[in-house]
Amino acid sequence: EPEVTQTPSHQVTQMGQEVILRCVPISNHLYFYWYRQILGQKVEFLVSFYNNEISEKSEIFDDQFSVERPDGSNFTLKIRSTKLEDSAMYFCARGGGNQETQYFGPGTRLLVL
Amino acid sequence: AQKITQTQPGMFVQEKEAVTLDCTYDTSDPSYGLFWYKQPSSGEMIFLIYQGSYDQQNATEGRYSLNFQKARKSANLVISASQLGDSAMYFCAMREGRGYSSASKIIFGSGTRLSIRP
Repeated sequence: EPEVTQTPSHQVTQMGQEVILRCVPISNHLYFYWYRQILGQKVEFLVSFYNNEISEKSEIFDDQFSVERPDGSNFTLKIRSTKLEDSAMYFCARGGGNQETQYFGPGTRLLVL
Repeated sequence: AQKITQTQPGMFVQEKEAVTLDCTYDTSDPSYGLFWYKQPSSGEMIFLIYQGSYDQQNATEGRYSLNFQKARKSANLVISASQLGDSAMYFCAMREGRGYSSASKIIFGSGTRLSIRP
């Protein structure tokens, strides 16, 4: 099954700046997830999004983070005021056809300077 | 609490040999799913194989098979006839509950770096 696409593939930003990461599903799906992977570390869950609402979020997903699906298609993750420790690979994932599996996008590599 | 353990931080295997990557898990939920993902040096996370806790047979996908031993709570990945392109980081992961439940996050292990020697 096709995964999702993510833009940008790489982003470099200054500390304190806002960034928006985008996830574009290939077809209509209801379940979406954001994960992040700090370099050399394991993949961590951030937030799950079902039917245009947050269904679960981790303790990492604090007030600096927000998600939305502004046009019913793109699924965005916003980091309001980036910190150095936000530097990571950010993955969007969608539920599979039977919702038992999750397919990841190619990721956005974020570097905060 | 969920826990995924991958005890092999790195492995070296000769090309064309079979390789087994270990994974053990811990959960009290009777319904769960187990995953393996491959992450090459380019960074993307590639889905390889899935096993549901109620599946009677071990999952297979081409050269990949999942050796699911429920009583031992292990879900080892077996790659038959390894190829140079199999060199990558491999993550075992688990989801508690059924996939269509609203809280179906995946928890990942720390990964095993597999290197295939020519």
